[in-house]
Amino acid sequence: EVQLVESGGGLVQPGGSLRLSCAASGFDFSNYWMAWVRQAPGKGLEWVANINQDGGEKFYMDSVKGRFTISRDNAKDSLYLQMNSLRAEDTAVYYCSRKPPDYWGHGTLVTVSS
Amino acid sequence: SYELTQPPSVSVSPGQTARITCSGDALPKKYAYWYQQESGQAPVMVMYDDSKRPSGIPARFSGSSSGTMATLTISGAQVEDEADYYCYSTDSSGNLGVFGTGTKVTVL
Repeated sequence: EVQLVESGGGLVQPGGSLRLSCAASGFDFSNYWMAWVRQAPGKGLEWVANINQDGGEKFYMDSVKGRFTISRDNAKDSLYLQMNSLRAEDTAVYYCSRKPPDYWGHGTLVTVSS
Repeated sequence: SYELTQPPSVSVSPGQTARITCSGDALPKKYAYWYQQESGQAPVMVMYDDSKRPSGIPARFSGSSSGTMATLTISGAQVEDEADYYCYSTDSSGNLGVFGTGTKVTVL
């Protein structure tokens, strides 16, 4: 059974940093593109970033480019999202997903507020 | 930036057919995917590659795509199908993902 479990969310002040993690199991993690998707409270889904199988290709939505970094550790079956210079508008539930996305985690809430 | 446009809401009576559209310029060349999201839950994929249904998704869900529009059809909608539905695809390069604006389906 495919499982994706996010962690690392919480409350952070504007301008601060946070690192999200996603532990994958039930499939050959190293064979799949992975992605982060977010959803602000009461809003729609928003694709954030993709990473290919070996981490050599990464793509980001415009508003997080230069602030967020997606990465992975295939030895640990783990996906990460390093978020720097956080803004109030980054407040959302962040989901880890296997591209296209087909499987999703339950999400971790990031709140950016003073 | 690339956008996918959906109607904000669709309302049907139980047993009727609900159709949700998704419009985007790259859809003639890129697959559409559809997700159902119930309140407070993670999304669930109900259609992939325009018209393929994942295992466990009821046969009343079907998908199609023609030109710049993809459509998710719920034939004989049930009360339990009430949820938000989102389409997803990529831009023409295939590198950037994009979700549709979302459609709230009401069955009453």
